[in-house]
Amino acid sequence: AQSVAQPEDQVNVAEGNPLTVKCTYSVSGNPYLFWYVQYPNRGLQFLLKYITGDNLVKGSYGFEAEFNKSQTSFHLKKPSALVSDSALYFCAVRDKNTGGFKTIFGAGTRLFVKA
Amino acid sequence: GAGVSQSPSNKVTEKGKDVELRCDPISGHTALYWYRQSLGQGLEFLIYFQGNSAPDKSGLPSDRFSAERTGGSVSTLTIQRTQQEDSAVYLCASSRYRDTDTQYFGPGTRLTVL
Repeated sequence: AQSVAQPEDQVNVAEGNPLTVKCTYSVSGNPYLFWYVQYPNRGLQFLLKYITGDNLVKGSYGFEAEFNKSQTSFHLKKPSALVSDSALYFCAVRDKNTGGFKTIFGAGTRLFVKA
Repeated sequence: GAGVSQSPSNKVTEKGKDVELRCDPISGHTALYWYRQSLGQGLEFLIYFQGNSAPDKSGLPSDRFSAERTGGSVSTLTIQRTQQEDSAVYLCASSRYRDTDTQYFGPGTRLTVL
């Protein structure tokens, strides 16, 4: 069965500092991995995804994520955080080999960026 | 173009009543998903539809929950004999036709069961 773990409920970072939001996954086959963001009073929005190819994926708003197969991780990163990045971030996984369209989301990590 | 729409935006009901939640996906999207987001919780997968294939209902929490998708477009999530623990935001999403495609989410329906 697919599963996703986001070990941190909350991440605090100062504006201008790098940020990392952690995600690990478990699938029986090969994963498709996604990050989504939920800003206050707004719907969930897609940030980036890993399907195949380069392990480093670049997405919207300057975010990137690195797929690490040996560590089964897909951590979200940004070199310099902005106050406007404060939001709820979700990691999600699909099992390429068995799960098709079924998508399992993590519990979410709330990011606070302090000015 | 128009995004995913959901109605109603808010629904307050009494315990034991049935409710229907509606989702209009983006035109041309063949895949449609329902999720539940409880307060302080992540997104819980409920069900997805893809084209004419049988839906994956593996996430439905009980037989009080059901969903249908008519004509490959609009979907309705029905909760029978609602319980207080059903209170949550119900999110609908759609995507094109490949399992690598991005999901586009609607604004959600906030359900409160008194």
